Amino acid sequence: DQQVKQNSPSLSVQEGRISILNCDYTNSMFDYFLWYKKYPAEGPTFLISISSIKDKNEDGRFTVFLNKSAKHLSLHIVPSQPGDSAVYFCAASATGNQFYFGTGTSLTVIP
Amino acid sequence: GAVVSQHPSWVICKSGTSVKIECRSLDFQATTMFWYRQFPKQSLMLMATSNEGSKATYEQGVEKDKFLINHASLTLSTLTVTSAHPEDSSFYICSGLGTYNEQFFGPGTRLTVL
Repeated sequence: DQQVKQNSPSLSVQEGRISILNCDYTNSMFDYFLWYKKYPAEGPTFLISISSIKDKNEDGRFTVFLNKSAKHLSLHIVPSQPGDSAVYFCAASATGNQFYFGTGTSLTVIP
Repeated sequence: GAVVSQHPSWVICKSGTSVKIECRSLDFQATTMFWYRQFPKQSLMLMATSNEGSKATYEQGVEKDKFLINHASLTLSTLTVTSAHPEDSSFYICSGLGTYNEQFFGPGTRLTVL
């Protein structure tokens, strides 16, 4: 059973607008969350993380929001750029470093 | 949903020994599987792409003779770390490629080499 879910397999956004990628999880023991970005034929690249003691973490154009009660996290990209077009994975772990990944959301930023 | 398992989840071995890690797709057939290595709080590093019935494609800088990959069936790929050394200690994650090119990740295997 998927413990981490990304229910939108794809998303298209106009350049300059906000991209919102969503991720839901089922295990309340998860306390560390990651977002990865992946270009075709490359390995995923770490983007941003958040621990369960925070509800927001910001790094430049990227902000991750965590709603623990809803077991939901989201990645906001503002403003979106064509170079942001990639597949985005969220991942979650509980203490012990075992990671659970979502299946990814393919973001297309239209110039 | 599609599930990928890895075995073992944690292994400790002595320097110089070989360790085999299994990656299985439990409810789907994965013609292609990927092997990644992850250092603490860093990005996943793609090590190799494993295709059923053919030789794996290794990324630049990954020693194919040290990290042996076998993908003998549509549901099983194995990674063998030969003559392991402490610097090989890491978290190894596999993924299977689904029908629509989505990736299903395994839970990872933590290797500690003493």
